[in-house]
Amino acid sequence: DQQVKQNSPSLSVQEGRISILNCDYTNSMFDYFLWYKKYPAEGPTFLISISSIKDKNEDGRFTVFLNKSAKHLSLHIVPSQPGDSAVYFCAASASSGTYKYIFGTGTRLKVLA
Amino acid sequence: GAGVSQSPSNKVTEKGKDVELRCDPISGHTALYWYRQSLGQGLEFLIYFQGNSAPDKSGLPSDRFSAERTGGSVSTLTIQRTQQEDSAVYLCASSLQAGGGRGKTQYFGPGTRLLVL
Repeated sequence: DQQVKQNSPSLSVQEGRISILNCDYTNSMFDYFLWYKKYPAEGPTFLISISSIKDKNEDGRFTVFLNKSAKHLSLHIVPSQPGDSAVYFCAASASSGTYKYIFGTGTRLKVLA
Repeated sequence: GAGVSQSPSNKVTEKGKDVELRCDPISGHTALYWYRQSLGQGLEFLIYFQGNSAPDKSGLPSDRFSAERTGGSVSTLTIQRTQQEDSAVYLCASSLQAGGGRGKTQYFGPGTRLLVL
């Protein structure tokens, strides 16, 4: 039973355009969400997070949106750059009780120059 | 300004042999986590250490897997009698505090790529 799902295994976007990566979750106890970026042969790098008390968090070109009623979050990258090409994982956790992150299976983003 | 480091970066072993994977967390981080990523899968939680508390081993897939953390710092993940299905990238992460909420972001090492032949 996958509690965090990334249904798109891959995405290709033209340089300068918007990249939208999606993530769905099932556990209503999750209240903290993160996005990690992973390059080949490297560990995941923290990108951006959002608490359930907010519905949007922005950091430079990266914005995460949270829709609690739909149990859905998305990562927007604007404008997309070739260096953004990587695998993006969303992760979820509950601030009360569990300490571990539950990860999705990742979306491979390719930004075309 | 060291991040999380792991060694070895790559390990090839024969089925049935034991392997040890090492993780050095960020200095001052009290919480340490092990995950693994099998081909085409997300990151799977294995085990968690917090300070001097007993570790939570609920994610370990079998009793062939064990881990320890000495002196609240370095951790070693041991896989005994390795099987081909153990082939994966083993990732270590640390955080300043334990927990899943804000301010407890986990920072990952580069991983150890284990291949069991």
